[in-house]
Amino acid sequence: DGGITQSPKYLFRKEGQNVTLSCEQNLNHDAMYWYRQDPGQGLRLIYYSQIVNDFQKGDIAEGYSVSREKKESFPLTVTSAQKNPTAFYLCASSLTGISYNEQFFGPGTRLTVL
Amino acid sequence: RKEVEQDPGPFNVPEGATVAFNCTYSNSASQSFFWYRQDCRKEPKLLMSVYSSGNEDGRFTAQLNRASQYISLLIRDSKLSDSATYLCVVAEDETTDSWGKLQFGAGTQVVVTP
Repeated sequence: DGGITQSPKYLFRKEGQNVTLSCEQNLNHDAMYWYRQDPGQGLRLIYYSQIVNDFQKGDIAEGYSVSREKKESFPLTVTSAQKNPTAFYLCASSLTGISYNEQFFGPGTRLTVL
Repeated sequence: RKEVEQDPGPFNVPEGATVAFNCTYSNSASQSFFWYRQDCRKEPKLLMSVYSSGNEDGRFTAQLNRASQYISLLIRDSKLSDSATYLCVVAEDETTDSWGKLQFGAGTQVVVTP
């Protein structure tokens, strides 16, 4: 089945630790995205990549890093510099970066900082 | 001012009734508009794109009013399975085939009751 997967589903982190969230897609999509969702707020864009080996910062990139070495993979690292990392993290992909292309979302990772 | 604003609800709707709600957006240049559905603690999924002339998909009707900068969603003959949060999404694209960051509203919660 084609789709987008994220792991782990739940992640607990101690303050000061870096953690990496996995995102994989087998849809052959060029574009991939990372969003953060907090209660009562809309999704906010962290990073996006329109093509392999290239990515750009979104609205809230501080304290996060990404890589796009393979078309199907777009991991997100939450660093200790991110001041309030507890949130629901959603990865998405689309055929291309053009706006009318539907974005397909993975099931998300819930990160909690202890 | 938020880029995309929605009434958070909840809209409590008897099964079989009709419910409608709007969302307003601030960027008058936006070209692409969508409604996504998000079930509790799940990922968003595209419900429908919104076209200038308005469009219908089964029991769902979406309208765009560019002059007043709002889009609407109407659900007819509500089903229990329609209970969800509906996210209004507006692209910051300048043309219909360009890249534009998606701006997500915080969502309108709909609860359909027996």
